[in-house]
Amino acid sequence: DIQMTQSPTSVSASVGDRVTISCRASQSIDKYLAWYQQKPGKAPNLLIYASGTLQSGVSSRFSGSGSGTDFTLTITSLQPEDFATYYCQQADSFPLTFGGGTKVAIK
Amino acid sequence: EVQLVESGGGLVQPGGSLRLSCAASGFTFSDHYMDWVRQAPGKGLEWVGRIRGAAISHTTEYAASVKGRFTISRDDSKNSLYLQMNSLKSEDTAVYYCVRVVSRYFDYWAQGALVTVSS
Repeated sequence: DIQMTQSPTSVSASVGDRVTISCRASQSIDKYLAWYQQKPGKAPNLLIYASGTLQSGVSSRFSGSGSGTDFTLTITSLQPEDFATYYCQQADSFPLTFGGGTKVAIK
Repeated sequence: EVQLVESGGGLVQPGGSLRLSCAASGFTFSDHYMDWVRQAPGKGLEWVGRIRGAAISHTTEYAASVKGRFTISRDDSKNSLYLQMNSLKSEDTAVYYCVRVVSRYFDYWAQGALVTVSS
């Protein structure tokens, strides 16, 4: 199975800050990576797919990059609605696997 | 508007069975692969399994943790997805999400159904 490791597990940031979250795969997954945002009590929401493609309707504050084993989600100018938990997920091979999540909290 | 509405969650004893349903609307259900993803209380996301479309004979994939106990099926005439869960264990306690797959990724998620396995 492909293991997905996110870092950090949590980050405290202020409105307007730039936040970067990393995701590392235990083996190459080409660009088959997605990022999801989840708020408490809600279902996750797709932000980025294929490593760097923004899902329709998602703010351009979000961007993704990477290929192979190392990937990054960047949130520029953090907004109040961005405080949430973020998960990466590999879509390269079964079983599909998620990272452990990164909680973005208010400083 | 794409909608996925789950039903069937609840409390079940260890060793028991439960079936979740997911009613889809707002898109051509038969064209899409559909998955189940779960989330234990306070934990991260875990993929459960996939069912492909009729063109690929509704073939399925499962996570090792549920293989042989859970069965995913669909009725394209009713725009419905199902998850039959047998031999339930306490570690199966989770919110279960029905999700639509587009180009490998989960673009729409249902609201989630809580399954609690406890005596």
